[in-house]
Formats: sequence, structure tokens, C-alpha cells
Amino acid sequence: QVQLQESGPGLVKPSETLSLTCIVSGDSISGDFWNWIRQPAGKGPEWIGRIFSSGSTDYSSSLKSRVTISVDTSKNQFSLNLTSVTAADTAVYFCARGGGSLDRWGQGTLVTVSS
Amino acid sequence: DIQMTQSPSTLSASVGDRVTITCRASQSINTWLAWYQQRPGKAPKLLIYKASTLESGVPLRFSGSGSGTEFTLTISSLHPDDFATYYCQQYNDYVPVFGQGTKVDIK
Repeated sequence: QVQLQESGPGLVKPSETLSLTCIVSGDSISGDFWNWIRQPAGKGPEWIGRIFSSGSTDYSSSLKSRVTISVDTSKNQFSLNLTSVTAADTAVYFCARGGGSLDRWGQGTLVTVSS
Repeated sequence: DIQMTQSPSTLSASVGDRVTITCRASQSINTWLAWYQQRPGKAPKLLIYKASTLESGVPLRFSGSGSGTEFTLTISSLHPDDFATYYCQQYNDYVPVFGQGTKVDIK
């Protein structure tokens, strides 16, 4: 049974870069799509972007200028970098598997942007 | 981007009730639609994909229907575990988009 676990700082200062990693266990990361989604308190999920295990990426048009998603197949993990963060980027960040519907999710990690 | 609109935003119901949630897309998405259940403090859980296919392990009281721009999620008989927020999500184009959610609470 594949499991996903997000890790990274829970507090990031405004204008800095938010960096998170998702470790995949129970199955190989190869041959699948891996996503980042965020959810501000009290709101619906917002898709940030995804990466295929080969390294090809798709990003949300609203975040594209600030987002980079990368994959490390040797470590069975993928990562999110979001630059120039503001308070509006405060949210629970999830990683998830899937190229359309998302069938496995991490538990989520709260990232707060504040000085 | 395609916009997804759910109704109602909140639904009050009792254990045993039949519940229906609607999701409308701003343009045709064929049957490229998923439904998720989210309990407080937890990640969304996939219930249904391709509009009507039940994810493995999901109880048979959940069903989905629709195509094009209008879709429904039905819970045939509400269980105590089903009080949660439900989201639809389209994946017809390369940007997955979620609806704003429908909270099912206890009447």
C-alpha cells in the first residue's frame, strides 16, 4: 500500500522560498504522476502542479512563475519550491498520486507565512 | 481554466437520509470527474472517478452519475461516518480544478 509523507518547515518568512518534500513508500515512484495541492483554512483544495517520474511537469497558471517541482527517483521522493511567498500562501500542503483523479494523499502539512 | 460549482454549499441531513450533491462544470468535461470526501484535519479521500466508477473499498451506498457539464454524487443512506465535506474535481484538461465543497452536517 503506497504511502506519502510531506516534510518541511512549518513557518516561512514573507518573500522567502517555501520548500517541501514528499517521501513515497510502499511502491516505486517510477511510472506515475505526483502532485502538490494546497488548501487554505476553510477553503477548497487548489492544485499547484504535478510531475511525472521522468521529470516532465505541469503547473497551475496562477502559480507557474513561482513554482518548481522536482523528482528524485533514487530517493523515491519529489519536492516543491514556491518562491516569494506571502501570507496568501499560508495553507495545508498535500502531496498526492495521480494523473487525473488523485488516489493516494499524504496527511498534509501546515505551512504558515509570517515574520 | 474550467470552473466547478457545487450545490448546495451546506446540507443538513439525518442518519438514513438519501443525499444528493450536484457539481456543474463551466464547459463539457465528458466524464473526467472525481468525487472526494474530506473529514476535518484529514486529507481528501477519493470516492469516485470517471464520474461513476467507485474507488476500491468505498461503500456501495456512494454512487456518481452525469456527463458533460452536470454531475451528481448520491449517498443512498447516510451513515454517521458520512458527515464530512465533499468535493468534485475535474481532470478534463491539464489543470485539475476542485469545486468549493459541500458540507454535510447533522440536522
